Amino acid sequence: ILNVEQSPQSLHVQEGDSTNFTCSFPSSNFYALHWYRWETAKSPEALFVMTLNGDEKKKGRISATLNTKEGYSYLYIKGSQPEDSATYLCAFNAGNMLTFGGGTRLMVKP
Amino acid sequence: DSGVTQTPKHLITATGQRVTLRCSPRSGDLSVYWYQQSLDQGLQFLIQYYNGEERAKGNILERFSAQQFPDLHSELNLSSLELGDSALYFCASSVTPRGDETQYFGPGTRLLVL
Repeated sequence: ILNVEQSPQSLHVQEGDSTNFTCSFPSSNFYALHWYRWETAKSPEALFVMTLNGDEKKKGRISATLNTKEGYSYLYIKGSQPEDSATYLCAFNAGNMLTFGGGTRLMVKP
Repeated sequence: DSGVTQTPKHLITATGQRVTLRCSPRSGDLSVYWYQQSLDQGLQFLIQYYNGEERAKGNILERFSAQQFPDLHSELNLSSLELGDSALYFCASSVTPRGDETQYFGPGTRLLVL
């Protein structure tokens, strides 16, 4: 059983704050790391797929980094907005299927 | 809207019954995945199909089965339902079965077993 951990479980920030959270995954048999954004009552929406050690991806105010040797990825949100409130999921792929972490629930107060 | 459609949106049934959940992938996507989201667990991978063939299997119970048809839509069959099968079932699709491909999720089917 693959262990994919996300921390923190939940996070409350003020509008305008920058924030980041962590996804830890096995450092062996790495194939890809996925990040998803999941708003309440909607379906998970893909943010990034990362495959290369040291890779950094950006989409607007959201960016992610990847360290496959030590088995972690960071997701950063710059200048959080209320519409960023969602659960952020990472998923590890060792080649054949996605194993999801428990998610970080972000709440941004106006 | 991801382009993946799932029906029905909600389903209420009784223990011991059998239900079928349907998924239509995005246009052009050949790979379909099924996931289960229970109250006390994260998203769990159930099964993957690619162009009609089973490609990968996760923790799918023997009471559950799936298939992908020639028109690429997929169905997940759940039989001898138990209370613990109540969950949100998602279908996702991608162009190829590669693990570094983005998966696009449908809106889900919420199943309640009474």
